[in-house]
Amino acid sequence: EIVLTQSPGTLSLSPGERATLSCRASQTVGSSYLLWYQQKPGQAPRLLIYAASSRATGIPDRFSGSGSGTDFTLTISSLEPEDFAVYYCQQYGSSPLYTFGQGTKVEIK
Amino acid sequence: QVQLQESGPGLVKASGTLSLTCAVSGGSISSSKWWSWVRQPPGKGLEWIGSIYHSGSTNYNPSLKSRVIISVDKSKNQFSLRLSSVTAADTAVYYCASAHIVVVTGHHYFYGMDVWGQGTTVTVS
Repeated sequence: EIVLTQSPGTLSLSPGERATLSCRASQTVGSSYLLWYQQKPGQAPRLLIYAASSRATGIPDRFSGSGSGTDFTLTISSLEPEDFAVYYCQQYGSSPLYTFGQGTKVEIK
Repeated sequence: QVQLQESGPGLVKASGTLSLTCAVSGGSISSSKWWSWVRQPPGKGLEWIGSIYHSGSTNYNPSLKSRVIISVDKSKNQFSLRLSSVTAADTAVYYCASAHIVVVTGHHYFYGMDVWGQGTTVTVS
């Protein structure tokens, strides 16, 4: 079973700062199959990034994804007030078919 | 734009069966999407439960497979989840979502779970 480990658990930053979130897989994940989601309190997750680095429809270009193999990164270049949320990485393809990381909370410092 | 809406009892007795339905509007359930269920226990992360294609093909999380049945009703444009022998550990917000997967010459392109319902809270007592 593939395990996705996200770090840090919580990231305390100020608006305008750069956020760097990590997702490490217990085994190799194809770049086509690593995704990122944003979830705000009381809301469903929202797709941000698919195929490791492609932004979903309507996602601002301050969000970018990178990485390959077992190490992937989500970067928010300059935090806007609406970006404070929990972020999850997800893999597709290994058993179980879809796996999520445990999440990184980006909070206002 | 496709929209999803979960419905079902908010309270289920322990050892009973949890049953939820997801209504698909603004599009056809026979489109090329895998219709999925994801849950989130209070204060915790996301767990994929299972997915179904309009043909009836299913994939389940091995950790839940023995208790889960996902079905599709094309006439009502909806799909459903049944989770049996529930315990307090099954208390969660249950989301339905559509997974956009395109298969080209045997290669799978996964464009993400791009549409989600608002979620419904199920408590097992």
